[in-house]
Amino acid sequence: DTGVSQNPRHKITKRGQNVTFRCDPISEHNRLYWYRQTLGQGPEFLTYFQNEAQLEKSRLLSDRFSAERPKGSFSTLEIQRTEQGDSAMYLCASSVLQGADTEAFFGQGTRLTVV
Amino acid sequence: KQEVTQIPAALSVPEGENLVLNCSFTDSAIYNLQWFRQDPGKGLTSLLLIQSSQREQTSGRLNASLDKSSGRSTLYIAASQPGDSATYLCAVETSYDKVIFGPGTSLSVIP
Repeated sequence: DTGVSQNPRHKITKRGQNVTFRCDPISEHNRLYWYRQTLGQGPEFLTYFQNEAQLEKSRLLSDRFSAERPKGSFSTLEIQRTEQGDSAMYLCASSVLQGADTEAFFGQGTRLTVV
Repeated sequence: KQEVTQIPAALSVPEGENLVLNCSFTDSAIYNLQWFRQDPGKGLTSLLLIQSSQREQTSGRLNASLDKSSGRSTLYIAASQPGDSATYLCAVETSYDKVIFGPGTSLSVIP
């Protein structure tokens, strides 16, 4: 296992199209996070899963966004009817709930450009 | 609501200098604080993790300290190198199982 994997690395789409990103966490990690990062800013929290349960969603996650983690392993983030303001880097992270040691490991991200 | 700030926003230093990056957070009820490095267009690389019960962590030329009561952390980089040029982000894990990031400090080390 080489860490958190995200696909695709880059996605260019026309406004109004739907896009789906995939995140494969480190295999034994039961927590999975999605973040969005725009240029010059730190990552902003979008949503969080523990196993297959989606425990929290940010207000940033509008109705056009949906995330799933059907079997508690990989996760998908779908954006429907994309808008130019959705252009950003989408980062996935995973961690394991194991005592107090909850270091988060991040993937390389998916860069979305909406034209 | 937890807010994380970082000072300075950008820093440019000559190679070989020791430097300090600052991170502040508003709510001291954190589980841990993590420092990350991000190269342009790339994901995040974890540098150091400090648990809430710890005061500092060291890795090579990096040393991070944590003062939970005052809501501050510093990242000390000794003998800076051009390869250290990147954006450095601090993040705190809150009691709501969220990791909240600061805006980052963009570091440029001039050869």
